[in-house]
Order: sequence, then C-alpha cells, then structure tokens
Amino acid sequence: DQQVKQNSPSLSVQEGRISILNCDYTNSMFDYFLWYKKYPAEGPTFLISISSIKDKNEDGRFTVFLNKSAKHLSLHIVPSQPGDSAVYFCAASGDGGQNFVFGPGTRLSVLP
Amino acid sequence: GAGVSQSPSNKVTEKGKDVELRCDPISGHTALYWYRQSLGQGLEFLIYFQGNSAPDKSGLPSDRFSAERTGGSVSTLTIQRTQQEDSAVYLCASSLAGVREKLFFGSGTQLSVL
Repeated sequence: DQQVKQNSPSLSVQEGRISILNCDYTNSMFDYFLWYKKYPAEGPTFLISISSIKDKNEDGRFTVFLNKSAKHLSLHIVPSQPGDSAVYFCAASGDGGQNFVFGPGTRLSVLP
Repeated sequence: GAGVSQSPSNKVTEKGKDVELRCDPISGHTALYWYRQSLGQGLEFLIYFQGNSAPDKSGLPSDRFSAERTGGSVSTLTIQRTQQEDSAVYLCASSLAGVREKLFFGSGTQLSVL
C-alpha cells in the first residue's frame, strides 16, 4: 500500500504557464515533505521542502503548498520553462523515522 | 568529494551471479541511504545507515540483499544469486545526520540481470 501517492504519471504544460504537481499521503505521522527533480541518467536533486508547521514555502519559481487536513501537498512552478521537463518526486518522513518515503513520480513536459 | 559517487555506473550480469555496488558519500555525511528504481516505478527504500550501523533495513527485499558501511564512509550493497527482477537503477544518497536534512543522490548504478 503506497503511503505517498502521485496520481498523475505525466503532465504537459505550455512554456510560461503554471505547472501544478500533486502529491497525497496516508500516514498522518509524516511531518516533513520534500520535492525532488530527476533528469534521465542522473540522480534526483533536491528542489524544495516544507515542514508541517507551515502551509506554504516559496523559493523563486517554486512554491510548495501543504494541506495537512487533506493530507495533500502540491508543487507549483511558475512560469514553467522547457528546462523544468523532468520527473518530479514527492517524499515524506516523520514520526522520528530516518526513512524517506517517495512517491512514484510525475513526468513533467514543458512545451516551447 | 564534491558529490555522491557510485560505481559502476552500469552493470550487466547473468542470473545467479553475485554483484557488488559501491557508494562514496559526501565527506562528512553520516547518514547514507540505498534506494532502487525499477522501470516505470518510484524510488523504493532499501536500507539506511547512521555511521556504520543500519538502524533500518526494512526495505531489503530478500536475504539475497545485504549492505555494509565501513569507516562511516563507503558503503557496499551486495546482491547474491541475482534474479531478473533485481534489474533496476540502484541509487545511493547521503545527508548530514538527522531526518530533517535533505538527501544528496548519486547518479545510480543501472543493473541489468540477463
């Protein structure tokens, strides 16, 4: 049973528009969330994180929103650029555990 | 080193053979993780080290899989009697101590079991 879900395997967005990637989790003990970006043949790279004491964190074009009651978070990229085309993974940890649980990823394609 | 280094980058082996995958974490990072990504799947947690000890081995899929870490640095993931379903990209990550620190990933080892 997946504890972290990314229900959209792929997403296509026009350059300059907003990309919204969604992530849902089932474990209410998760209290720290991260987004990673992965290009082919490379390891994932850290993008942005959010702690459960916040509901929003912003870093340049990237904003992560957390809705604890819905156990849902989203990553907004605006404006989207062709270089943003990659697979995006949502990850969660909590309850004092050291393990990060990753979602299956969403492949974002930003069309020029 | 500047980043997490994994070797080999690609490994092709025959079913039933043993393989060893190596990870050199970022200097000073005490936490080390192994994940794998099968084709079309997400990242699957395998094992976590804090220093040389492994407090969480819950993700190892079978007793054919083992890992060790020596000197609080290099880690080796060993797969004995490889099976075709072991084919995947094996990713290593390291971080400073603590669950709140972000992980730095290597480029992975692509393992193909024929």
